[in-house]
Amino acid sequence: SAVISQKPSRDICQRGTSLTIQCQVDSQVTMMFWYRQQPGQSLTLIATANQGSEATYESGFVIDKFPISRPNLTFSTLTVSNMSPEDSSIYLCSVETSGRADTQYFGPGTRLTVL
Amino acid sequence: AQTVTQSQPEMSVQEAETVTLSCTYDTSESNYYLFWYKQPPSRQMILVIRQEAYKQQNATENRFSVNFQKAAKSFSLKISDSQLGDTAMYFCAFMGRNDYKLSFGAGTTVTVRA
Repeated sequence: SAVISQKPSRDICQRGTSLTIQCQVDSQVTMMFWYRQQPGQSLTLIATANQGSEATYESGFVIDKFPISRPNLTFSTLTVSNMSPEDSSIYLCSVETSGRADTQYFGPGTRLTVL
Repeated sequence: AQTVTQSQPEMSVQEAETVTLSCTYDTSESNYYLFWYKQPPSRQMILVIRQEAYKQQNATENRFSVNFQKAAKSFSLKISDSQLGDTAMYFCAFMGRNDYKLSFGAGTTVTVRA
């Protein structure tokens, strides 16, 4: 499986600010995804990060709030914009490698706390 | 989105014993994939085991095995010879054959007692 890193690993932010989370993979991957895990909850898919085009968002998530970039096949960013305490969550990226086209592997996650 | 149900919020097991976690799902698709992921306190999501719906044989990975009942839409995980390092939250997940989107259950917290 690919080695996936995320930066930052955790952050504490003030209400109204924005935070950009980075996801880096050590090899080229076909698909990258962003998930949110609210405290004590399961994971919910935010969007699929498409290389060279706009991300595909799931119901309940919008580009203005969660802009995503994917400039190449090994890197993606998720920005959480105009944050409120309800955005406090763990944000995880996952990748689906071309060698195993039906399995996702996850990064270590970013724990975000909004005050 | 597909519905994945884990009805056991918490399970406790003695070290070296066996524990079984239940998972049911709802889908109209005939081809799909099922997964169990483990999330220890470090919060890293770790793939435990994977099952392809068109394969009747149950998947196994060392001490982890599944009981896949396609007609009943059931996908349970058995952890044999439980170890302290197995303490974690376990999530059951569904992926459709063509959309690569994971739908997760609510999770089951497993505590292995020494």
